[in-house]
Amino acid sequence: QKEVEQDPGPLSVPEGAIVSLNCTYSNSAFQYFMWYRQYSRKGPELLMYTYSSGNKEDGRFTAQVDKSSKYISLFIRDSQPSDSATYLCAVASGTYKYIFGTGTRLKVLA
Amino acid sequence: DGGITQSPKYLFRKEGQNVTLSCEQNLNHDAMYWYRQDPGQGLRLIYYSQIVNDFQKGDIAEGYSVSREKKESFPLTVTSAQKNPTAFYLCASGDPRDRVYNEQFFGPGTRLTVL
Repeated sequence: QKEVEQDPGPLSVPEGAIVSLNCTYSNSAFQYFMWYRQYSRKGPELLMYTYSSGNKEDGRFTAQVDKSSKYISLFIRDSQPSDSATYLCAVASGTYKYIFGTGTRLKVLA
Repeated sequence: DGGITQSPKYLFRKEGQNVTLSCEQNLNHDAMYWYRQDPGQGLRLIYYSQIVNDFQKGDIAEGYSVSREKKESFPLTVTSAQKNPTAFYLCASGDPRDRVYNEQFFGPGTRLTVL
């Protein structure tokens, strides 16, 4: 079993839709949870991080963590074509080593 | 302008050759990382370094080597012992000192193709 599982997609949605991206993890020792966005042929950039259960909001993005079910989500409201990218979840138990999901490819259609 | 630079952007290598990928950062970060990204496999950690003159193997270190002689630089050598080196290589840096959370900042990547 992989430590982090993420559906690779692709996921296609119309502009303005609410997008839900999800990951599950297996080890309850993970305490930091991150979402990265990666455009084609570019390096990932951090979108959001959290270290507690519950929701964290930043503009159109909401990160949600449920530690009891080992489930993390990223919601994108009012999705735009510029949101088309691969979204990577990552988890960490300490300050050095991250475990990344495989990434979900999202396409927002104009 | 602070950030992480990787060079070259594209690299072609013949089988049996060693090749070195460059990674430089001017963020004054202590920690640096090398990842490999393959389709459908996400990012896998090759090596990381917490401080100058020190580094640790990640999950897939076989066939790779690194050095950390300067804080700003963490070059990765892909040796001929690496069986399947064609991939997208990403360098990252971070500063875990005095923080609850250590954000990793990524460079633009180097795409290596073995011919």
